[in-house]
Amino acid sequence: AQSVAQPEDQVNVAEGNPLTVKCTYSVSGNPYLFWYVQYPNRGLQFLLKYITGDNLVKGSYGFEAEFNKSQTSFHLKKPSALVSDSALYFCAVSLVNDYKLSFGAGTTVTVRA
Amino acid sequence: GAVVSQHPSWVICKSGTSVKIECRSLDFQATTMFWYRQFPKQSLMLMATSNEGSKATYEQGVEKDKFLINHASLTLSTLTVTSAHPEDSSFYICSVSRRQNRAFFGQGTRLTVV
Repeated sequence: AQSVAQPEDQVNVAEGNPLTVKCTYSVSGNPYLFWYVQYPNRGLQFLLKYITGDNLVKGSYGFEAEFNKSQTSFHLKKPSALVSDSALYFCAVSLVNDYKLSFGAGTTVTVRA
Repeated sequence: GAVVSQHPSWVICKSGTSVKIECRSLDFQATTMFWYRQFPKQSLMLMATSNEGSKATYEQGVEKDKFLINHASLTLSTLTVTSAHPEDSSFYICSVSRRQNRAFFGQGTRLTVV
């Protein structure tokens, strides 16, 4: 079984400040980890993924995430948030040999000007 | 990557009627597609795995006769909500998975049953 927890329903930051969206996972085996972003009434857009290798993963739109095996975490970060980053963010996990994704509950990010 | 097109983007139907949602993989032959349901400000719930040329695999609690899935070709899967009721109103999203399980999503379909 696999699961994802996003402990914060909502994150509010001022434009220009650092943004962090938290994610922890539980999986029996080696995980593939993903972050997706969703804008209102739209499908999900891929931001980044961790498969193997370097624990720091860089993705689209200036986002990055750090895989921490000991803490089973995969927090999403952006050094300087933009108003346009306001959206719903999902962390997801899958096992290496299984296409099924398990999603976290999502975190709504609001960046104020 | 993969381009996934979902149609329609939104639909309003009367209670008791059926609605068909199409999911097309435009540049990739997908033997497997996934259908999700999303309630407002909530996560995606996997409904079923659509398998080309065979029966879909439904998640626990999802009614097979209510949500009919057909995957007749490598580029098209359809989800038909039969005898729709207001509680079926939701946002439905399909996806295709490629290398290393990266998923590509359709733009979603907003279904409103009145």
